[in-house]
Amino acid sequence: EAQVTQNPRYLITVTGKKLTVTCSQNMNHEYMSWYRQDPGLGLRQIYYSMNVEVTDKGDVPEGYKVSRKEKRNFPLILESPSPNQTSLYFCASTPSQGRSPLHFGNGTRLTVT
Amino acid sequence: GQNIDQPTEMTATEGAIVQINCTYQTSGFNGLFWYQQHAGEAPTFLSYNVLDGLEEKGRFSSFLSRSKGYSYLLLKELQMKDSASYLCAVNTGGFKTIFGAGTRLFVKA
Repeated sequence: EAQVTQNPRYLITVTGKKLTVTCSQNMNHEYMSWYRQDPGLGLRQIYYSMNVEVTDKGDVPEGYKVSRKEKRNFPLILESPSPNQTSLYFCASTPSQGRSPLHFGNGTRLTVT
Repeated sequence: GQNIDQPTEMTATEGAIVQINCTYQTSGFNGLFWYQQHAGEAPTFLSYNVLDGLEEKGRFSSFLSRSKGYSYLLLKELQMKDSASYLCAVNTGGFKTIFGAGTRLFVKA
């Protein structure tokens, strides 16, 4: 089944404790992206990747890191999480730019205390 | 700046028709998408418009006017399962897609 898989679904952590949210897609898509979703603000892009070893900042990259060592995987790293990073995170992929819709993972609900 | 505006909430009756509007001001335009998102779930693709006019897909239709920066999603024969958030999103060029805050639709019996 074609899908984008995120883990974990739920995560509660404390300020400053490094964490990684994994994302994997099995559709051979070139483009992958991370979004965070907050009430009243909609989905905001954190980072995106056009292909292996090619990444760029989205609208809200501060406090996040990403890597794209393999085409299928695009982990999101929070080196020192803070409470304002409490949010619902979505990973998404698409085969090409522009006209193809995004395929989203099931989301990761992160709480930083 | 860039922004996408859509109503926060709408309520409609089962079996009726509802129109969800979206206006956008973006630096570039390479297509407009509508997604459906049920509470706690991932957004799923509904429709795509890049040329002016109406695209119909079963009970769902989407309209685009590029000169007006305006789109709408039309849902016919509403069902209870259509209660969800509807997200308007614009691809502004390349790999950049920006989203509106979403319209939460409540369908009542």
